[in-house]
Amino acid sequence: NAGVMQNPRHLVRRRGQEARLRCSPMKGHSHVYWYRQLPEEGLKFMVYLQKENIIDESGMPKERFSAEFPKEGPSILRIQQVVRGDSAAYFCASSPPPIMNTEAFFGQGTRLTVV
Amino acid sequence: SQQGEEDPQALSIQEGENATMNCSYKTSINNLQWYRQNSGRGLVHLILIRSNEREKHSGRLRVTLDTSKKSSSLLITASRAADTASYFCATDPGRSGGSNYKLTFGKGTLLTVNP
Repeated sequence: NAGVMQNPRHLVRRRGQEARLRCSPMKGHSHVYWYRQLPEEGLKFMVYLQKENIIDESGMPKERFSAEFPKEGPSILRIQQVVRGDSAAYFCASSPPPIMNTEAFFGQGTRLTVV
Repeated sequence: SQQGEEDPQALSIQEGENATMNCSYKTSINNLQWYRQNSGRGLVHLILIRSNEREKHSGRLRVTLDTSKKSSSLLITASRAADTASYFCATDPGRSGGSNYKLTFGKGTLLTVNP
């Protein structure tokens, strides 16, 4: 089992460009969670998705950010018209259907730098 | 203070010594998890303690949980230089029928173990 795979590991974008971050969950996991970590901060929840369904997007900025988890393929976190403040590490975690008291498995993260 | 706040912010010890980190939180939880993050890397899950547990061990790690005080501690015994990392606690508020994985992380404790 390869674990949660995120790519790219590092991404540099100019202000105004689009950033696409990919997350392939662990085999057998149908639930994906995205978190953002700003410099010197802890991780902050962004969105929780099941395949073809957004369960909880309460942590997502209202504009420019979107996420999807299609029936086939990885989950995508999309940031349109990036700004300097979007520079952060974005982590994805996955799990099987949620049951009580199981750990979340995190990927290595994508470090986005907006120049 | 925020949910899942670690204390101290930074800790520097000598190899072989024990390191103790604390975490306080505000709302009720289903479980509390500790993670390690090496500089610029992903998160590694260390240990999960359920709300009905008071203490848990894993190798050189010992975690305690006091739900009445809404606090947890992580003890690393016989520390090694390789333990140098940031340590985060994350609380899972859970919900009836399953965890919602809306983990709330603190800012972390930066542990430096000097050889």
